Amino acid sequence: GNSVTQMEGPVTLSEEAFLTINCTYTATGYPSLFWYVQYPGEGLQLLLKATKADDKGSNKGFEATYRKETTSFHLEKGSVQVSDSAVYFCALSENGAQKLVFGQGTRLTINP
Amino acid sequence: GAVVSQHPSRVICKSGTSVKIECRSLDFQATTMFWYRQFPKQSLMLMATSNEGSKATYEQGVEKDKFLINHASLTLSTLTVTSAHPEDSSFYICSASISRGAHEQYFGPGTRLTVT
Repeated sequence: GNSVTQMEGPVTLSEEAFLTINCTYTATGYPSLFWYVQYPGEGLQLLLKATKADDKGSNKGFEATYRKETTSFHLEKGSVQVSDSAVYFCALSENGAQKLVFGQGTRLTINP
Repeated sequence: GAVVSQHPSRVICKSGTSVKIECRSLDFQATTMFWYRQFPKQSLMLMATSNEGSKATYEQGVEKDKFLINHASLTLSTLTVTSAHPEDSSFYICSASISRGAHEQYFGPGTRLTVT
């Protein structure tokens, strides 16, 4: 079946540090890939997505590239801010279906 | 836009009682709503998908008689946990999408259920 594995947290960084949160997936077809972010006390929000191989999703300084050869969709940001502190979820949906399969989430804390 | 609310945000109930959780799309009509369950430090697990006016589709291993889902209108879905037991204690999250087949889901803030 389909699955998503992401790097275990928690991750703690200083402001302006470089961020990578690893995400790899297993899927039988050609999934779409997503990163969702959950700020404290709020619901999950779509951060970025990519729907086919080599696509790069980007938003708010975050980027992730759909790598079919390594089945990965790692999240990166060049310089994190305190306001980026949140839980980040990698997810996939298969073949245009709406059903989302989530990774376990990575809690990120950015210290000033 | 695209705000989803859940009520209540927290609920404590006694074992054997039933609890209803509401999920509302506040500024859009949600053709499809989803219910997830999240255990501590684990990912969200899809419980069921509901389309307005039709029966919910449950994921394998989810008891439909225990977790009753009603999607009576385009802005409201309810999840009722019947005869709750301590093992039902969890964080329940709903999401909604504007149209069937749309990838983007808008998530509610979640409901923490504790069964004593």
